[in-house]
Formats: sequence, C-alpha cells, structure tokens
Amino acid sequence: EVQLQESGPGLVKPSQSLSLTCSVTGYSITSNYWGWIRKFPGNKMEWMGYISYSGSTSYNPSLKSRISITRDTSKNQFFLQLNSVTTEDTATYYCARMGTRVSSFDYWGQGVMVTVSS
Amino acid sequence: NTVMTQSPTSMFTSVGDRVTMSCKASQNVGINVGWYQQKTGQSPKRLIYWASNRDTGVPDRFTGSGSGTDFTLTISNMQAEDPAIYYCLQHNSYPLTFGSGTKLEIK
Repeated sequence: EVQLQESGPGLVKPSQSLSLTCSVTGYSITSNYWGWIRKFPGNKMEWMGYISYSGSTSYNPSLKSRISITRDTSKNQFFLQLNSVTTEDTATYYCARMGTRVSSFDYWGQGVMVTVSS
Repeated sequence: NTVMTQSPTSMFTSVGDRVTMSCKASQNVGINVGWYQQKTGQSPKRLIYWASNRDTGVPDRFTGSGSGTDFTLTISNMQAEDPAIYYCLQHNSYPLTFGSGTKLEIK
C-alpha cells in the first residue's frame, strides 16, 4: 500500500526557511509524480509544485523563486523548501502522489501544520 | 490560471437527501477534474477522477459528471458519515487549481 508521511518543524520564524520531508513507503518515487499542496486557514487549497520520477520539477508561479523541491531516491523521500516565509505561509502542508503529469492526486499524506510566527 | 468556482459555499442537508454541488471552470478543462472529500482532521480523499470515475471503495451514492467547464458532484442518499468539505481540482493545465470548497453539514 502506498503511504506518505510528512515531517518537519511545526513553527518557523518569519524570513526563515520552511523545510519539510515526505517519506514514501510501498512505492518508489522513481515512478510517477510527487507533489506538495497546502491548505490555508479558511480552507483555501494551493498546489505548490511537483517533482517527477526523473527529478524534473514544476512550481506554482505564485511562489516565484522561493520554492525548491528535491529528492533522495536512496531513502525514497522528497523535500520541500520554502524560503523567506511570512505569516501568510501558515498552513497545513500535504505531500501527495499523482498518477501522471496530467492526472489528479490519488494518495495523500496526513499533513503537517506549520505556523509562521516570531 | 484556470479558476475553479465552487457553489454553494456551504449547505445543510438531512440524512437521505440528494445533494448536488457545482464546480465551474474559467476555461475548458475537458474531463481533467477530480473531486475530493476532506473530513475534519483528515487529509483529502479522492472520490472521483477524470470527472466521472469513482475511486475504488467509494460508495456508489457519489457520482461525478460534466466536461468542459461545468462539473457536478452528486450524493444520491446523504449519510451521517458524509459531512465534510468537498473540493474540485482541475489538472488540465498548470498551475493546478482547486475550487474553494463546499462545506456540507447535517441539519
């Protein structure tokens, strides 16, 4: 069974970087596409980006140059880094799998809540 | 970007009711739409893919329909376990975009 699990700090200070890990079991991240999505207080959902089976990436332009998604295939993990965070980055962050580049998310992690506050 | 407009924002319903919610895309997205159910404290669960295909294990009271710009999720017989926020997602073009959600509650 495919399982995803997010981990990382629940509190980040403004202007610092947010770093999260998604650990995948039951499936190799060298197949399919793997994304990050966040849900803001108030329920708005935002796709942040993905990393593909080959390591290529695609990001939401709204995040401009603040975002980076990388991976460690030896550990079957992929990572999110979001730089220069503000309080507006406070959200629950999810990692999820896509069947292909043009399909929807079928498996999701349980989510990790991140608060940006001094 | 493709804007997904969901309606209604919220609704109250009773067990046994037929429930219909809408998602309208700002441009043609074909059938590249998924529907998700998110219960309190849980991660989103996909119910419908490619606009009208039910995921494995999803009760057949959930039905997705539509193509192009207009999409509908119908619950034919509301159950006590169905209160949640329901989201549509378009995956026709990047950036992928979600609707704002329909919050479904029991009266």
